[in-house]
Amino acid sequence: GAVVSQHPSRVICKSGTSVKIECRSLDFQATTMFWYRQFPKQSLMLMATSNEGSKATYEQGVEKDKFLINHASLTLSTLTVTSAHPEDSSFYICSALSGSPTDTQYFGPGTRLTVL
Amino acid sequence: AQSVSQHNHHVILSEAASLELGCNYSYGGTVNLFWYVQYPGQHLQLLLKYFSGDPLVKGIKGFEAEFIKSKFSFNLRKPSVQWSDTAEYFCAVSRFVYNQGGKLIFGQGTELSVKP
Repeated sequence: GAVVSQHPSRVICKSGTSVKIECRSLDFQATTMFWYRQFPKQSLMLMATSNEGSKATYEQGVEKDKFLINHASLTLSTLTVTSAHPEDSSFYICSALSGSPTDTQYFGPGTRLTVL
Repeated sequence: AQSVSQHNHHVILSEAASLELGCNYSYGGTVNLFWYVQYPGQHLQLLLKYFSGDPLVKGIKGFEAEFIKSKFSFNLRKPSVQWSDTAEYFCAVSRFVYNQGGKLIFGQGTELSVKP
């Protein structure tokens, strides 16, 4: 089956620093990748949608200058949390879609970000 | 506002009991429907999906769901749960959005605890 990986799985950083999270589709080409945020015991909230080679589309309320998304290739998307603050601490999950918009999204294992 | 609603926040069952988790959505028009499961410490996995055709959908691990268009519902069922079904269950709806693939909107999630 389709596999999506994320790196790192856990990261702890100091307030004010930037953190980059990678999302890779390992055995398929992802035309579209999605980034979600999940708070403890809560649902996934879509942050943004990225298509390879174009600018990401952010959901309402998500700061595009704070959460920089790059989808440089069909197998890699990155999320950079800039000038991180403790309130950015969360579980960040990516998913990848191959081809048709009606296809299944495959999810990565998530990245636990803790900002001190 | 468009939303997905899961009726139960936490369900506790004994092994061999039957399960039904409710899911309602508020979108009009054509939607695709999904149930995802998140086992403790693991990433989201697809249980089943409905795109079209037979409204009774069978998924993995003995789960099934029924799409009732008139009720905007997509309830998940399993005749006899096992301890290994303990997990968080998410209902999700997607609609095609131009240049954004199939955006998934998740319900709040239902935590299922199965007592051995």
